[in-house]
Amino acid sequence: EVQLVESGGSLVQPGGSLKLSCVASGFTFSNYWMDWVRQTPGKSLEWIGEINTDGSKTNYAPSIKDRFTISRDNAKSTLYLQMSNVKSDDTAIYYCTRLGARDYWGQGVMVTVSS
Amino acid sequence: DIVLTQAPLSVSVTPGESASISCRSSKSLLSSKGITSLYWYLQRPGKSPQLLIYQMSNLASGVPDRFSSSGSETDFTLKISKVETEDVGVYYCGHRLEYPLTFGSGTKLEIK
Repeated sequence: EVQLVESGGSLVQPGGSLKLSCVASGFTFSNYWMDWVRQTPGKSLEWIGEINTDGSKTNYAPSIKDRFTISRDNAKSTLYLQMSNVKSDDTAIYYCTRLGARDYWGQGVMVTVSS
Repeated sequence: DIVLTQAPLSVSVTPGESASISCRSSKSLLSSKGITSLYWYLQRPGKSPQLLIYQMSNLASGVPDRFSSSGSETDFTLKISKVETEDVGVYYCGHRLEYPLTFGSGTKLEIK
């Protein structure tokens, strides 16, 4: 069974940093591109970015580019999202996803940006 | 960015009846490979989104055939036949044609 389990969400002050993790299981992690998607409170879904299988290529949404960094450790089957210089607009549930003809989404982790 | 506009904002349906949700794209979602890059998701209350339809008209694994989707290059419709109580939630359309991927604002389905 495919599972994606996020962790690392918390309350962080504006301008601060936070690193989210996503541990994958039930499939060969190193064979798949992985994405992060977020959902702001009461709002729609927003794609953050993706990373290729060996971590050498990433693509980001313009709204977060240069503040967020996606990385992965295939040996640990773990996906990361490093968030820097966070703003109140970054308050959201963050989902680790494997998108495709058969999507898989984690349960999500809450990040709250507030002073 | 491609803008996806959904309608209606919400829909209330009697169990056993049908429901339709519209999604309009600001740009053609037909790729150079002849694939229409339109996806439909359902987010049940308190749950993560789940894929219902991929590439405009293909049913995702495990999704009942009460769900169907059709459309053109820019206008799409999700139809739910014989609505059941488990269909309650927010439906989103999304595309994967180009970066950034974007989603519609969602349509809430309620049961009468």
